[in-house]
Amino acid sequence: AQTVTQSQPEMSVQEAETVTLSCTYDTSESDYYLFWYKQPPSRQMILVIRQEAYKQQNATENRFSVNFQKAAKSFSLKISDSQLGDAAMYFCAYRSANAGGTSYGKLTFGQGTILTVHP
Amino acid sequence: EAQVTQNPRYLITVTGKKLTVTCSQNMNHEYMSWYRQDPGLGLRQIYYSMNVEVTDKGDVPEGYKVSRKEKRNFPLILESPSPNQTSLYFCASSLQGGYTEAFFGQGTRLTVV
Repeated sequence: AQTVTQSQPEMSVQEAETVTLSCTYDTSESDYYLFWYKQPPSRQMILVIRQEAYKQQNATENRFSVNFQKAAKSFSLKISDSQLGDAAMYFCAYRSANAGGTSYGKLTFGQGTILTVHP
Repeated sequence: EAQVTQNPRYLITVTGKKLTVTCSQNMNHEYMSWYRQDPGLGLRQIYYSMNVEVTDKGDVPEGYKVSRKEKRNFPLILESPSPNQTSLYFCASSLQGGYTEAFFGQGTRLTVV
């Protein structure tokens, strides 16, 4: 079974600064997908960024980028130029690419990291 | 607008009183699932459905039931709720699995007293 670990329960950053949230995962699969979700106080789950494991190039979405280290099974999220609206809980998630497997659509989540942004 | 609609958003109930949390999506997605979110544990999958009339257990299915009679609807049923089912619940849907984005409902905060 796959597991996802976020070892930072809480992080804080000053507005306009850069912060990195850590995520590690464990899997025996070679092909999979990784996601970062944001959960603001409204509780809505919002997809921030996603990465295909077979792609070496790190995904980027505007101020959000990832550092994907497949061998180390690490998938960190970097938020540049932090804004007050970035304050939220962030979840790292894993999803299998094995279309024939029973866990094909399942997202396995980490414990979450609460990000506070200071003005 | 593409969305997943969950109801109710908040629910307080007593132990043993059957309840249903509804979930509906308007995107014609095949894959739907239920998660519960608890502090320090993240979100864990309760049940999932790969298509109409096809459902299966996730990681924490005890005490829950689901049904998928129509593609758009995937209700979560608690036949006899207990206090340990107090949690935040999310319904999610996606076209299939893999790289496709999962869309989440607004969440249902359930308290069982």
